[in-house]
Amino acid sequence: AQKITQTQPGMFVQEKEAVTLDCTYDTSDPSYGLFWYKQPSSGEMIFLIYQGSYDQQNATEGRYSLNFQKARKSANLVISASQLGDSAMYFCAMREASGSARQLTFGSGTQLTVLP
Amino acid sequence: DAEITQSPRHKITETGRQVTLACHQTWNHNNMFWYRQDLGHGLRLIHYSYGVQDTNKGEVSDGYSVSRSNTEDLPLTLESAASSQTSVYFCASSPIRSPGHYGYTFGSGTRLTVV
Repeated sequence: AQKITQTQPGMFVQEKEAVTLDCTYDTSDPSYGLFWYKQPSSGEMIFLIYQGSYDQQNATEGRYSLNFQKARKSANLVISASQLGDSAMYFCAMREASGSARQLTFGSGTQLTVLP
Repeated sequence: DAEITQSPRHKITETGRQVTLACHQTWNHNNMFWYRQDLGHGLRLIHYSYGVQDTNKGEVSDGYSVSRSNTEDLPLTLESAASSQTSVYFCASSPIRSPGHYGYTFGSGTRLTVV
């Protein structure tokens, strides 16, 4: 089974509107971390936001927030007030913290296009 | 400033040739990772290392090898390049125990084309 699933290959949003990018995950590890990265057309990986499995509150970083629903195993990224510069590929990733695993497992990504 | 650098940024090679992609980090991180990025698959883990002389296979390790002789470098070798290995390759590093999100640092990527 896929550990990280992003079901939206492409999304469009109007400038200044909010958009939600979906991410579901699969793990039996009680301790894990969820990440969102942005990859603009230039190719670099930019860290956006992190949510720990034991964090009580949903993470927020400026215009980015993570809608964490633990029981549903979902960690959706919400971008408020979209800007043209938000057009990029977005990846959800997970690190399972138990044992020795330290690597990130990525989803297939969502290509977001912000329309003027 | 500490950094992680990959070289070359772009490479074209012929089928059957051996190719080595370099990754060098000055963060003094113990953990280093190699990923490949392909459309529709996101980033998939090729090999990783938790320290000097330690290497481990990832999800898509066939046809690739790594060695870790020091903390700073984790070169990725394609033993006999195949067209299926045309991809963008990312190196990443992190400290031993990354608290929260801190510490995952990615290189700028190497675009490899096998013809």
